[in-house]
Amino acid sequence: QVQLQESGPGLVKPSQTLSLTCSVSGGSISSGGHYWTWIRQFSGKGLEWIGYIYDSGSTYYNPSLKSRVTISADTSKNQFSLKLTSVTAADTAVYYCAREERRAFDFWGQGTMVTVSS
Amino acid sequence: QSVLTQPPSVSGAPGQRVTISCTGSSSNIGAGYDVHWYQHLPGTAPKLLIYDNNNRPSGVPDRFSGSKSGTSASLAITGLQAEDEADYYCQSSDSSRRGVFGGGTKVTVL
Repeated sequence: QVQLQESGPGLVKPSQTLSLTCSVSGGSISSGGHYWTWIRQFSGKGLEWIGYIYDSGSTYYNPSLKSRVTISADTSKNQFSLKLTSVTAADTAVYYCAREERRAFDFWGQGTMVTVSS
Repeated sequence: QSVLTQPPSVSGAPGQRVTISCTGSSSNIGAGYDVHWYQHLPGTAPKLLIYDNNNRPSGVPDRFSGSKSGTSASLAITGLQAEDEADYYCQSSDSSRRGVFGGGTKVTVL
């Protein structure tokens, strides 16, 4: 059973960079065939797809966030990470990491709340 | 504003059948992309309930079923149980290969 766990600061100041890590167990992020994804959920429940990394290096981002997002992977630690620059209050959300297989997200982390506030 | 449209809430008595609609457009569901459904209890990891329109992962009860037609899809829960009280989300893809979601539907068991 694949398990994912998000970690990172719960509070980020406006204009700074949000950094989160997803630790994966029960499966290798470098085994191929899966897209390792970040998704966020706003307080009104809406979910937003942020982007993914696959083949340990290729990435694709939501066009609406592309200029601010970087997703990277550390295969030695079986982790992948999210960096979101120049954050504002609108980036306050619960951030999830998930595994995508054939466009469905079959395993998710429990999520981590990130608040952007001074 | 979510890309896919779901009703905010549905409710039913135990044992009843409820359905949740998910309406998209010709850019996502109508373009032939599959629809997937998730069950989410706040504070927990969302759970894949239905994939590829009408398939259940191992362990998901057959009380849950999905269908898709045109630019819409639906999730049906038959024999509603108290444990089914949760938020449900539909998800599809678009031509730019990004995931698109519905706004979520809260199911209340009366």
